Amino acid sequence: LAKTTQPISMDSYEGQEVNITCSHNNIATNDYITWYQQFPSQGPRFIIQGYKTKVTNEVASLFIPADRKSSTLSLPRVSLSDTAVYYCLVPWGRSGGSYIPTFGRGTSLIVHP
Amino acid sequence: DAGVIQSPRHEVTEMGQEVTLRCKPISGHDYLFWYRQTMMRGLELLIYFNNNVPIDDSGMPEDRFSAKMPNASFSTLKIQPSEPRDSAVYFCASSRTTSGRATDTQYFGPGTRLTVL
Repeated sequence: LAKTTQPISMDSYEGQEVNITCSHNNIATNDYITWYQQFPSQGPRFIIQGYKTKVTNEVASLFIPADRKSSTLSLPRVSLSDTAVYYCLVPWGRSGGSYIPTFGRGTSLIVHP
Repeated sequence: DAGVIQSPRHEVTEMGQEVTLRCKPISGHDYLFWYRQTMMRGLELLIYFNNNVPIDDSGMPEDRFSAKMPNASFSTLKIQPSEPRDSAVYFCASSRTTSGRATDTQYFGPGTRLTVL
């Protein structure tokens, strides 16, 4: 059973809103869900995190339903510089009751002029 | 702050050689993570430390891999002997946790690109 599921790739155009969803199961109920952005030849960079409902900062919004089986990253008006790979990071539970930070496989977003 | 520092940035070695990757976390951070990134497997957590103590090393692929954190400002990941399938980008990340949660914001270093011939 997959730990997380994200679309492999997405295409958009400048000025559009982009929503990327990560599906996840067996995650801790009281731990953050976090999204990161990665450019080529760089380490991932924090975008936003939350526990539940909706969180908004200066660059993105994060929607987490009550069952926490998914989360959606929303980029309001993308520009060419938003072309990157986006990862969800969840506290995934292994057998034995422990939780470890686990990255999704990433979604490659390409923004076109 | 200089951020998380990793060295070397690139390493090319031959199969069977020992490889040591180094990481200096952000001062004041109490968690340190080692990840491996490949096209096939994505970003995998290898091991993480809290206050210099290894908490979970279940992601370390084999006994050939070992990691240490002798003090709060330094960590190493060693591969001995190295194999071609170890070729990947290895990232170190650190975080300062006020809640005791390992998923608090992580700050990543630039990575070490390892090539084993």
